[in-house]
Amino acid sequence: AQTVTQSQPEMSVQEAETVTLSCTYDTSESDYYLFWYKQPPSRQMILVIRQEAYKQQNATENRFSVNFQKAAKSFSLKISDSQLGDAAMYFCACGDYGQNFVFGPGTRLSVLP
Amino acid sequence: EPEVTQTPSHQVTQMGQEVILRCVPISNHLYFYWYRQILGQKVEFLVSFYNNEISEKSEIFDDQFSVERPDGSNFTLKIRSTKLEDSAMYFCASRRDSGGKNIQYFGAGTRLSVL
Repeated sequence: AQTVTQSQPEMSVQEAETVTLSCTYDTSESDYYLFWYKQPPSRQMILVIRQEAYKQQNATENRFSVNFQKAAKSFSLKISDSQLGDAAMYFCACGDYGQNFVFGPGTRLSVLP
Repeated sequence: EPEVTQTPSHQVTQMGQEVILRCVPISNHLYFYWYRQILGQKVEFLVSFYNNEISEKSEIFDDQFSVERPDGSNFTLKIRSTKLEDSAMYFCASRRDSGGKNIQYFGAGTRLSVL
């Protein structure tokens, strides 16, 4: 069984600044994936970034990067040069190779102009 | 880029009525999923489907729920007798195969409102 915790219900960042969203997880699987999904007001679920647990190198996607600490079971998301369009709910998720996802409770990110 | 399509975007129904939520997964995908998100809460797994049968389901997925892939393209979620607490956003997702590199692609969701 997997559990995912996001300890920050809400975060805010000034436009063009950097923000880090926290996520911790627990899993009994030896191989698994971690994901960050963005859910804008439209409530569509959009994949932001993913990380294979067997890879030590942190994943990056343009302005989005992760800090994956496997031993600590931590998977934080860093958003650089924040833009108004980044405002959304962000969900951390853990999936095994069967890819039955467990989602965290989400962090609502506000971007201030 | 191919995408998962869900219809309708918003469904309003009376308590006790049956609803069918429709999803068209990406065409070469083989694994299908339904998730639910009650307003203000986290996304919860409902059911996964492969090779025309349910492969896994959660405690939420009780006898009121069923899934079907009636024609090789659609993937439907049926709720037989809706309750007020079924009001939520329902997401369909699909995945190509069992390879570890394949991720789930989510649809835009169907908002179900039970009155």
